[in-house]
Amino acid sequence: AQSVSQHNHHVILSEAASLELGCNYSYGGTVNLFWYVQYPGQHLQLLLKYFSGDPLVKGIKGFEAEFIKSKFSFNLRKPSVQWSDTAEYFCAVKMNNNAGNMLTFGGGTRLMVKP
Amino acid sequence: NAGVTQTPKFRVLKTGQSMTLLCAQDMNHEYMYWYRQDPGMGLRLIHYSVGEGTTAKGEVPDGYNVSRLKKQNFLLGLESAAPSQTSVYFCASSLRPPSGGYTFGSGTRLTVV
Repeated sequence: AQSVSQHNHHVILSEAASLELGCNYSYGGTVNLFWYVQYPGQHLQLLLKYFSGDPLVKGIKGFEAEFIKSKFSFNLRKPSVQWSDTAEYFCAVKMNNNAGNMLTFGGGTRLMVKP
Repeated sequence: NAGVTQTPKFRVLKTGQSMTLLCAQDMNHEYMYWYRQDPGMGLRLIHYSVGEGTTAKGEVPDGYNVSRLKKQNFLLGLESAAPSQTSVYFCASSLRPPSGGYTFGSGTRLTVV
């Protein structure tokens, strides 16, 4: 079955540290890729997305992600995290063989940034 | 502009009771979705709809029913609640593909005792 994997379930960083969260998917066709963030007690919000073109995508709040097609990966990065980045991060993939525009989500990564 | 609104925000049910969760969107989106979120499992699709009057099963549809009688509303029903349905439920909507992603509601936290 097609799946999305986020291998880091919990990450703890100090402020100003660099962040990289992994996301891998298992599907050989064309994909659209997304990262969502969920702050404590809130709903999911879109951080960034990749549809086509430059594989390095820049999103809101200083986040970026790189699509590496050969590795089936879409890792999220931020050079210097802040306490306010404490949240849960979800990678999501739309596999373009589905007419329902359905997204498949990874299991999420909880990030805690220590002040 | 409210976006996607879910009601109620919290609910406690006894095993065997029924309830309906309401999702309403004011963005004229064609597609709507119901997901459940459980720790360590991310979001899993329950049912979805690609337009008024249409529904389809997602990854985990058992124990749930849905209806999309109006374009702006997508209802999720639990006919006989079970403790395994304790979860946080999120509704989302999107434009037709290719679209920029989903807009999510704020969630409903359901506990079945």
